[in-house]
Amino acid sequence: ETGVTQTPRHLVMGMTNKKSLKCEQHLGHNAMYWYKQSAKKPLELMFVYNFKEQTENNSVPSRFSPECPNSSHLFLHLHTLQPEDSALYLCASSLTGGSNEKLFFGSGTQLSVL
Amino acid sequence: RKEVEQDPGPFNVPEGATVAFNCTYSNSASQSFFWYRQDCRKEPKLLMSVYSSGNEDGRFTAQLNRASQYISLLIRDSKLSDSATYLCAVNVFGDRGSTLGRLYFGRGTQLTVWP
Repeated sequence: ETGVTQTPRHLVMGMTNKKSLKCEQHLGHNAMYWYKQSAKKPLELMFVYNFKEQTENNSVPSRFSPECPNSSHLFLHLHTLQPEDSALYLCASSLTGGSNEKLFFGSGTQLSVL
Repeated sequence: RKEVEQDPGPFNVPEGATVAFNCTYSNSASQSFFWYRQDCRKEPKLLMSVYSSGNEDGRFTAQLNRASQYISLLIRDSKLSDSATYLCAVNVFGDRGSTLGRLYFGRGTQLTVWP
């Protein structure tokens, strides 16, 4: 148990569906992240929030919409996804988002888009 | 150009063997370096940070070579439980001199230790 909880663990959705991924951290951290992990590819940073403010949007398509209502919660809203969006989506948190920060990951949501 | 390059392996070694992984990074302004371990269908977990002078944690030794821009991980006396994928990660400052880091990962190197 890393202190970062993600739900759901698995999600299957059609291309016209709207769904949301949820992440909650119990570590008192102030920075939260969304990463995408596809087969045979490195982890890709998608979004960074530091003290609830988005500080990074790594050229992610608008069909992915993040929301960070407070430092403990992070959402990723999904709509009109494509099959190539199927991947493991990992949430992570760190203390302040600084350059020496160690990341703690949640268990991830395995997403399949049909 | 990829920020971080790793040999994906797989490395298959017997118990007790010594195995080394290397990872190269492209941004000379990279500030901090890490090794993460990822078990099958699980999330990455921090294994160790990598310091300029090199550091050791039990059977694991991490080294950093800034001149050649690579980091390495040495595992001595391999155990069956060491079987996993090892990810190197490099932190780079954000744009416009921001002190906020962006952590870039390599693809990971798969290790299997057999009895």
